[in-house]
Amino acid sequence: DGGITQSPKYLFRKEGQNVTLSCEQNLNHDAMYWYRQDPGQGLRLIYYSQIVNDFQKGDIAEGYSVSREKKESFPLTVTSAQKNPTAFYLCASSIGRDNQPQHFGDGTRLSIL
Amino acid sequence: KNQVEQSPQSLIILEGKNCTLQCNYTVSPFSNLRWYKQDTGRGPVSLTIMTFSENTKSNGRYTATLDADTKQSSLHITASQLSDSASYICVVSSKNAGNMLTFGGGTRLMVKP
Repeated sequence: DGGITQSPKYLFRKEGQNVTLSCEQNLNHDAMYWYRQDPGQGLRLIYYSQIVNDFQKGDIAEGYSVSREKKESFPLTVTSAQKNPTAFYLCASSIGRDNQPQHFGDGTRLSIL
Repeated sequence: KNQVEQSPQSLIILEGKNCTLQCNYTVSPFSNLRWYKQDTGRGPVSLTIMTFSENTKSNGRYTATLDADTKQSSLHITASQLSDSASYICVVSSKNAGNMLTFGGGTRLMVKP
């Protein structure tokens, strides 16, 4: 079945440590997105990529970095510069470059030790 | 500033009962409005998507309405089932800013037997 796979499901980070969240899709979608979800708040866009080797900052990019070396993969690194990283992170994709994600992964929950 | 407000924040109903969730938005210019269902610890799954010209759309026991004049939408769930327990998220797209999405904070629905 086609879909989006995020791993790991749960991740713990120590202070000052960078961690990378994986997102892989086999839908052949051009565009991919990373969102952050906090309790009671709407999803907020961190980064998005409409094509390989290109990506754009979203509303809350500070403290995060991404790469898009392959169409299928869009990993997100949460750097030590992100002072409040505890959240649920969702990856999404869309067929076209219309910035409207159609499919979401099942998320990674990141917590600080 | 584009905003999407949902009410109520949480709702408890008995199995078999109907319920209606509300969504008010200030996103302009309007492109489309979506309702998503998000089970705990999972990614959102699209229920309906409505454009400006559509005022009602159904997906099984879910019926969404849209009043573009008052900038309001509702999601009606008929004959609720235990599996309807989830968060329901209203998302509005603006034609400006590259069709980026504005997410509501969601309504958490619990269906009790």
